Amino acid sequence: EIVMTQSPATLSVSPGERATLSCRASQSVTSNLVWYQQKRGQAPRLLIYGASTRATGIPARFSGSGSGTAFTLTISSLQSEDFAVYFCLQYNNWPHTFGQGTKLEIK
Amino acid sequence: EVQLLDSGGGSAQPGGSLRLSCAASGFTFNSHAMSWVRQAPGKGLEWVSGISGSGGGTYYADSVKGRFTISRDNSKNTLFLQMDSLRAEDTAVYYCAKVHSSDWYDYMDVWGKGTTVTVSS
Repeated sequence: EIVMTQSPATLSVSPGERATLSCRASQSVTSNLVWYQQKRGQAPRLLIYGASTRATGIPARFSGSGSGTAFTLTISSLQSEDFAVYFCLQYNNWPHTFGQGTKLEIK
Repeated sequence: EVQLLDSGGGSAQPGGSLRLSCAASGFTFNSHAMSWVRQAPGKGLEWVSGISGSGGGTYYADSVKGRFTISRDNSKNTLFLQMDSLRAEDTAVYYCAKVHSSDWYDYMDVWGKGTTVTVSS
């Protein structure tokens, strides 16, 4: 099973600043990686698929990059609604595995 | 608009059973694989099971294999998860999720709001 490791566990950033979240795979997942945003009490929302393609309706301030084992989600200018938990998921190998999440909190 | 409405959660004793349902609308149901994903209290997400669009292929995480059964009724646009021999560690919020394509191996793009399962004596 591929282990997905996200860092940091918690990230404190001020509104308007940039946030950079990391996700690493224990072995290559090529570009078969997605990012989800989850707010308290809500279902996950797809942000990025194929490591770098924004899902429909996702603002341009969200961008994804990386391939193989190292991936990054960047939020260029944080808005109040962006403070949430972010998960990565690899779908290159069975079983699909998630990172443990990064909580993005207001500084 | 794609909508997934999970239901059927509740409380059960260890060794008991529950059946989850997920009513889908807003897309061609039989053209998409579907999955169940769970989230234990305070923990991350765990993929549980997947099923192909036709229902002919089913897939399970090792943690639930032999105890859970995924199925679908394409005439009613509904996904199911039969959970037997429940354990305390099955306690979680269970989400049904639409897979992006007919290939169960693909990523989940839309999720239901989740239904809570609690296993306790």
